[in-house]
Amino acid sequence: AQSVTQPDIHITVSEGASLELRCNYSYGATPYLFWYVQSPGQGLQLLLKYFSGDTLVQGIKGFEAEFKRSQSSFNLRKPSVHWSDAAEYFCAVGPRSNDYKLSFGAGTTVTVRA
Amino acid sequence: GAVVSQHPSRVICKSGTSVKIECRSLDFQATTMFWYRQFPKQSLMLMATSNEGSKATYEQGVEKDKFLINHASLTLSTLTVTSAHPEDSSFYICSARSPVFTGYVGDTQYFGPGTRLTVL
Repeated sequence: AQSVTQPDIHITVSEGASLELRCNYSYGATPYLFWYVQSPGQGLQLLLKYFSGDTLVQGIKGFEAEFKRSQSSFNLRKPSVHWSDAAEYFCAVGPRSNDYKLSFGAGTTVTVRA
Repeated sequence: GAVVSQHPSRVICKSGTSVKIECRSLDFQATTMFWYRQFPKQSLMLMATSNEGSKATYEQGVEKDKFLINHASLTLSTLTVTSAHPEDSSFYICSARSPVFTGYVGDTQYFGPGTRLTVL
């Protein structure tokens, strides 16, 4: 069965410091991979996605993620965080088919300190 | 860009009553909408897939008689929580799939802002 693991429940980072959020997946085949961000009380916004090709993916708000097939990982990074990056981050996977269903990780809460 | 709205954003009801939550795609037609449930500090759990003009497909463990889904038009899907109980309290989020195919359809899922349901 497919699963998505985000090992870090909560990360605190200083403003201006770098951020890395981990995501590992277990899937029958290489899935499509996504990172979403959720601000308090809000819906989800897509940060970036990986379908194929270059394994380093650029997204919005200065985020990037790297797909590593050998490690079944899709970690999210940002070189310098801003206070507005404080939010919940979800990694998600979906099958390479017409099945539209996404499976989400448990999420990582990011707190940014001044 | 594509916008999905939900109404209401927050609802408090008494145990035993029914609550209807609306999910609308404001500037596009959505043949497929999804309903998720999110418990505090937890991930999103897919409840059901709603296709316009047909019956919803429920995920395993989701009571279809408890969570009634109607997708009567290409811009509106409703979730009705029938005979709500405190354990139904949760954050419900819908997403809508744009018919514009840009690749994998997961790419074109647009999420609503969510509805906080509290059952007393």
